[in-house]
Amino acid sequence: EAQVTQNPRYLITVTGKKLTVTCSQNMNHEYMSWYRQDPGLGLRQIYYSMNVEVTDKGDVPEGYKVSRKEKRNFPLILESPSPNQTSLYFCASSSVRAGGMYTGELFFGEGSRLTVL
Amino acid sequence: AQSVAQPEDQVNVAEGNPLTVKCTYSVSGNPYLFWYVQYPNRGLQFLLKYITGDNLVKGSYGFEAEFNKSQTSFHLKKPSALVSDSALYFCAVRRNSGGYQKVTFGTGTKLQVIP
Repeated sequence: EAQVTQNPRYLITVTGKKLTVTCSQNMNHEYMSWYRQDPGLGLRQIYYSMNVEVTDKGDVPEGYKVSRKEKRNFPLILESPSPNQTSLYFCASSSVRAGGMYTGELFFGEGSRLTVL
Repeated sequence: AQSVAQPEDQVNVAEGNPLTVKCTYSVSGNPYLFWYVQYPNRGLQFLLKYITGDNLVKGSYGFEAEFNKSQTSFHLKKPSALVSDSALYFCAVRRNSGGYQKVTFGTGTKLQVIP
């Protein structure tokens, strides 16, 4: 089954304690991205990756890091979490080209709800 | 800069009635437009997209959307609402020009279908 898998789904942590949210996709997609969802703000892009070793900032990258060492994995790292990073996080992936056409639609994971105390 | 506006935080409609969820966008050049649906405690699921061609796009679960370039709109519609359509709907835009550009999402519209 084609899917994007995020872990953990739920996490409560304390300010300053480094954490990593993992994301893995099994669709051989080139493009992967992280979003955060906050009430009234919709989804905002944190970082994205066009392919292995190619990453770039989205709209709200401050306080986050990413890496793309393998095509299937795109972990999100919070080096020193703060309460304003309490949010619902989504990983998504997309095929850049399929059959010569830009498909463009994103496939999302189930989300990771993070609470920073 | 590109942006998406979903002017209604919530739309209420009676089961069996037609529904419309509004979306307007701003982007330089030609747009790729998308609708996604989010059910409680789930990730977003792709519904439909406009890339080029026919302005009326049909998608999953009986939904359709009409691209109107002059009004820069991409409203989501369904002829007859079901209670199971109740969910959060997001409109998104991407610039249609070389490479994979950033996708910008609207703030979402909660659709409530009343039995």
